Amino acid sequence: EAGVAQSPRYKIIEKRQSVAFWCNPISGHATLYWYQQILGQGPKLLIQFQNNGVVDDSQLPKDRFSAERLKGVDSTLKIQPAKLEDSAVYLCASSPLGQGIGNTIYFGEGSWLTVV
Amino acid sequence: AQTVTQSQPEMSVQEAETVTLSCTYDTSENNYYLFWYKQPPSRQMILVIRQEAYKQQNATENRFSVNFQKAAKSFSLKISDSQLGDTAMYFCASLTLYGNKLVFGAGTILRVKS
Repeated sequence: EAGVAQSPRYKIIEKRQSVAFWCNPISGHATLYWYQQILGQGPKLLIQFQNNGVVDDSQLPKDRFSAERLKGVDSTLKIQPAKLEDSAVYLCASSPLGQGIGNTIYFGEGSWLTVV
Repeated sequence: AQTVTQSQPEMSVQEAETVTLSCTYDTSENNYYLFWYKQPPSRQMILVIRQEAYKQQNATENRFSVNFQKAAKSFSLKISDSQLGDTAMYFCASLTLYGNKLVFGAGTILRVKS
């Protein structure tokens, strides 16, 4: 079974530029998460989708970050304009529908962003 | 609110010895899961062990076991016979069944020394 795919793995941009990250969850997984992990900290949830609807985006800086999950499958996270403090690893994760007994959240390898 | 606290920023252990990583959490939910994830320098999150809150029996996975104290909201990870490959950042996390929100602690860096 293929895992959660993310791209690009690494990106370096200048501040005020824009960047987009792509995530393809495990086939059949209805829930998709984007986390931001700053060096030395735990991951912070940015946005959570259930199919193509947003469940939680309370910690998403909406003035510069946006995310979409068209057709309830893959997802794109965009940052525009980027700031220095956006330098982090962006982790995508997915889980099956109806979280409950036996369900687990699976993570991709992450997209490393450096803003200079 | 759902919170997870890891009070040990760094831990060290000699190879083949046992080490315990601490975690406390807070949630208003009755049904939830607790996890320990391992994150090597590659940043890939690897699930180490999972505990269902309704189960009193502590989960075990080979050399990894937990001490789940529900009343105290404590969830520690014990690694027995530590190996060099166990060197990584370890995150404690809680997942509520209502909302499916996974919240992480700040992490503990574990270094296994030869």
